Amino acid sequence: AQKVTQAQTEISVVEKEDVTLDCVYETRDTTYYLFWYKQPPSGELVFLIRRNSFDEQNEISGRYSWNFQKSTSSFNFTITASQVVDSAVYFCARGSGGSEKLVFGKGTKLTVNP
Amino acid sequence: EAGVVQSPRYKIIEKKQPVAFWCNPISGHNTLYWYRQNLGQGPELLIRYENEEAVDDSQLPKDRFSAERLKGVDSTLKIQPAELGDSAVYLCASSHDSGTGVEKLFFGSGTQLSVL
Repeated sequence: AQKVTQAQTEISVVEKEDVTLDCVYETRDTTYYLFWYKQPPSGELVFLIRRNSFDEQNEISGRYSWNFQKSTSSFNFTITASQVVDSAVYFCARGSGGSEKLVFGKGTKLTVNP
Repeated sequence: EAGVVQSPRYKIIEKKQPVAFWCNPISGHNTLYWYRQNLGQGPELLIRYENEEAVDDSQLPKDRFSAERLKGVDSTLKIQPAELGDSAVYLCASSHDSGTGVEKLFFGSGTQLSVL
């Protein structure tokens, strides 16, 4: 199976610290899509970003930024100046060009302490 | 715009009992998904519908699980009979096919099932 690996199970930081969540994926496809979702304690997964395999540009959205490197099959997510409201479980996921099926990693639980 | 609506939010049943979950997707979203999320794990796809057709049910344990999406709108997922190992959160999601590849999913809050 082509896996998505999030090696960090839990991360704890103090508010205003920067934090990077790692994601490494496996794929044999030329065309694929990478995603990040946030799951707060309420349980609903919230979409954060989608990136296709042909676009290696990094992206910044407010305090969030994503670093996509095909050479290392990684799609890492950085939160700058973390806030307590960022506390959640974050999931990385991969979808292939020929299928709508998303394969999720096991998630990284981020706790931001005041 | 209303999001994906699921009910019930919580369900506690004894093993061997039947249980059903309901999902109403975002209006206009033709694709509907049922995912299962075990504790400490990421969601895993059970079944995907394109309108009323189940196009990917390879992960659905068909001996005890069934699903339907009548009229291509809301959907029901059923387990009969439930087993202890079915305890999990059942998530419904929907997406709109824009023709630009794998779409982003909009998830409901899920149904947390506990089988005793």
